[in-house]
Order: sequence, then C-alpha cells, then structure tokens
Amino acid sequence: NAGVTQTPKFQVLKTGQSMTLQCAQDMNHNSMYWYRQDPGMGLRLIYYSASEGTTDKGEVPNGYNVSRLNKREFSLRLESAAPSQTSVYFCASRNRDRGAGGAYEQYFGPGTRLTVT
Amino acid sequence: GESVGLHLPTLSVQEGDNSIINCAYSNSASDYFIWYKQESGKGPQFIIDIRSNMDKRQGQRVTVLLNKTVKHLSLQIAATQPGDSAVYFCAEGSGGYNKLIFGAGTRLAVHP
Repeated sequence: NAGVTQTPKFQVLKTGQSMTLQCAQDMNHNSMYWYRQDPGMGLRLIYYSASEGTTDKGEVPNGYNVSRLNKREFSLRLESAAPSQTSVYFCASRNRDRGAGGAYEQYFGPGTRLTVT
Repeated sequence: GESVGLHLPTLSVQEGDNSIINCAYSNSASDYFIWYKQESGKGPQFIIDIRSNMDKRQGQRVTVLLNKTVKHLSLQIAATQPGDSAVYFCAEGSGGYNKLIFGAGTRLAVHP
C-alpha cells in the first residue's frame, strides 16, 4: 500500500513554461486535494475533487487547472508558470466516511518542490 | 477570510518534558479540528482530531483540548522525545469536511 504518491519530486521551470504534477492514491478514497505550501506558511488549498468527476476551486486556484482522471488520479497543471508559483505542492486524499480511527483525516503525499525562474 | 492562527512560531523543550502547542481559530462555524505533524522534507502526518462537541480527546502521548468559548485549540505532547521535533499545524474544517484551513505552524525543537 503506497498511500499517496506524487511525481516529480523536484522540478525547475522557466517563466511561461507549462507542466503537470501527477498524484495517485491506492486507498480507494473518494476525495482528493491539491495544496501549496510557502515558507513560513501553512498549506493553502488550490483545488479539490470531492468525488470522481467533480472538481472545485479552493482558496488559491488562479493559474492552475486540475483533472480528476479517475478515482485514483488527480493532476494539477500550470499552463504558464510564474515565479509566484514557486512552492512545495502537496496532494492529499480522504475517504468520504470516517476512517478506522473515527477521523476524517486527509492523507498527504511527499510533495513536489517546484521552482520557477 | 477567516483563518486559523498560532500563538507561538517556535517552541523549544527539553527531552522528557511535556510540550503544549497552541492555536487560535476565528471561524465559529468550524466543527472539526485536526493536528498534523510535518517533518522536514515530508508531507503532513495526521496526529489527532476533535469534533466541536468535545472538549478533550486523548491519543497515544497526545491530548487535544478545545475551548470554544475563546476559540482556542491546544496540543499537549507528554514526555517529549527527539522524534517529536517537527512543525505542527492545526487545521479547522466545516462544510462537509471537504475543506481544511491550516494555520501557519509551530516548530517544536526537542533538546537532549
């Protein structure tokens, strides 16, 4: 059981380039999320997908697009990267029902460190 | 918008002491709170959660206290160990639990 996996781990882009961050989970979770984390700050929600076939904006969606490819995969795309998008990106997933511990916790991947020059 | 904040950005403790990490929240409609631990270079890891209809919840070496009157949340770690060194985030949720709002984090440094 790998949990939540993200690729790539590191990426350097030039301003204006595009790229897609990949995320997959093998826990059969319904909901998936994309966050960004900037130095000295908490995580901010970019987009989420409550269930397969649906996506919704979070707190900071501008400059990003997402695709819920299937129940396992949720990708984040930067169409024209900007230096302000330099950050660490985390994908997370959560089951619709309370987990074994009775919690609604989100499970996080290891992150993608993106630098835009 | 409303957000979750923290009183102390950095907390230093001696190994074996108890640690208390505090968090203030501003959204009175939040009905679910979580504490996460994040080690360097890793994603956040769930520690414990509490619903708004509870005042206290205990886990293994951790206790979360919720004071809705003053909108305050705390995480107590008993007998702090070097492996507890990390950044700790509180987060609040509401509206079907699809969205979490995270605080800025507190760094816990455990000294031998």
